[in-house]
Amino acid sequence: DVQLTQSPSFLSASVGDRVTITCRASQVISSYFAWYQQKPGKAPKLLIYGASTLQSGVPSRFSGSGSGTEFTLTINSLQPEDFATYYCQQLNTYPPITFGPGTKVDIK
Amino acid sequence: EMQLVESGGDLVQPGGSLRLSCAASGLRFSAYSMNWVRQAPGKGLEWISYISESSRTIYYADSVKGRFTISRDNAENSVYLQMNSLRPEDTAMYFCASDPDTALMRCFDNWGQGTLVTVSS
Repeated sequence: DVQLTQSPSFLSASVGDRVTITCRASQVISSYFAWYQQKPGKAPKLLIYGASTLQSGVPSRFSGSGSGTEFTLTINSLQPEDFATYYCQQLNTYPPITFGPGTKVDIK
Repeated sequence: EMQLVESGGDLVQPGGSLRLSCAASGLRFSAYSMNWVRQAPGKGLEWISYISESSRTIYYADSVKGRFTISRDNAENSVYLQMNSLRPEDTAMYFCASDPDTALMRCFDNWGQGTLVTVSS
């Protein structure tokens, strides 16, 4: 199984900050890699797929990068609506399709 | 955009059974692979099952293999999860999610709102 680890697991930030979340895989992944945002009591929402392609309708302050075993989600100029938990996901080697443990972004 | 609506969640005793349904609308359902993902209270996301657009390929997580069965009816635009031999650790919100499953796009692009399954005596 491909294990995904995320760092940090918790992040405290202010509106306007630039935030970076890292996801590391236990083995090399192709571009079948995605990022999701989840707010309390809601379903996850797709932000990025193919490691770096922004999903339609997602603000351009979100961006994804990376390859191999290390991937990054960056939020430029954090907005109040961005406080949420973020999950990475790999769909390269399955079953199982795996998610990272999540990074909670909270208000400083 | 595809709209997904889950139903069927309930309180059930350990060892019991439940059938979840996920109804799709808005896009060509038969072109998408479908997945079930669950989230235990206060925990992260756990993928549990996948079914290809034609039902030819099916996968399960080890945690549910042999107890859960995924199926779909493209004529009814629905995917199902039959859950047997339920355990307290199956308590979670269950989401269905669509996957374009193409060479250019692999991800869970649409999600339902979830249906809650509670396994307790």
